[in-house]
Amino acid sequence: QKEVEQDPGPLSVPEGAIVSLNCTYSNSAFQYFMWYRQYSRKGPELLMYTYSSGNKEDGRFTAQVDKSSKYISLFIRDSQPSDSATYLCAMSAGNQGGKLIFGQGTELSVKP
Amino acid sequence: DSGVTQTPKHLITATGQRVTLRCSPRSGDLSVYWYQQSLDQGLQFLIQYYNGEERAKGNILERFSAQQFPDLHSELNLSSLELGDSALYFCASSVVGVGTDTQYFGPGTRLTVL
Repeated sequence: QKEVEQDPGPLSVPEGAIVSLNCTYSNSAFQYFMWYRQYSRKGPELLMYTYSSGNKEDGRFTAQVDKSSKYISLFIRDSQPSDSATYLCAMSAGNQGGKLIFGQGTELSVKP
Repeated sequence: DSGVTQTPKHLITATGQRVTLRCSPRSGDLSVYWYQQSLDQGLQFLIQYYNGEERAKGNILERFSAQQFPDLHSELNLSSLELGDSALYFCASSVVGVGTDTQYFGPGTRLTVL
């Protein structure tokens, strides 16, 4: 079993929809949680960063972490065609340098 | 543009050969990371360096090695290449190389082993 599980999709939604992306994990040592966006096999770029449990909002994006359930989510409101990309969750325990463990990535397509 | 540069962009080689991938971190970043991305395994951590010293290691094959030089650039050496080594190799950099750091990824090197 992988340390981080993420549904690879693909996920297709109409423009303006609310998108929900999720990851589950098994390592209770994870403390730092991130969402990266990757366009067409280019370098991933950081979207959201959350430390421990809680919510964080940045514009149309909201990240949630529930450590008791070992579950993290990313919500995208008013989705746009430009949001079409692969979204990767990533996690770090913090005691192994900056080593990140990534989910498989969810491919999202937002149709105009 | 993340500020992390990687060369070459594409590399095509044959099984059994050896290649070197190069990474220059963002200005001011002391830590460099190497990741491998393949369709079946996803994005996997290989190794991390901080200011020239190895800081963390993932499931990096013995045929692979890396180092970080005094000018902070890093090289990933892949030897005795196999078909399964075909993948995208990303370098990332961060300021001090701890869990709270933001890692900035380069554009990647696409390696094809024929």
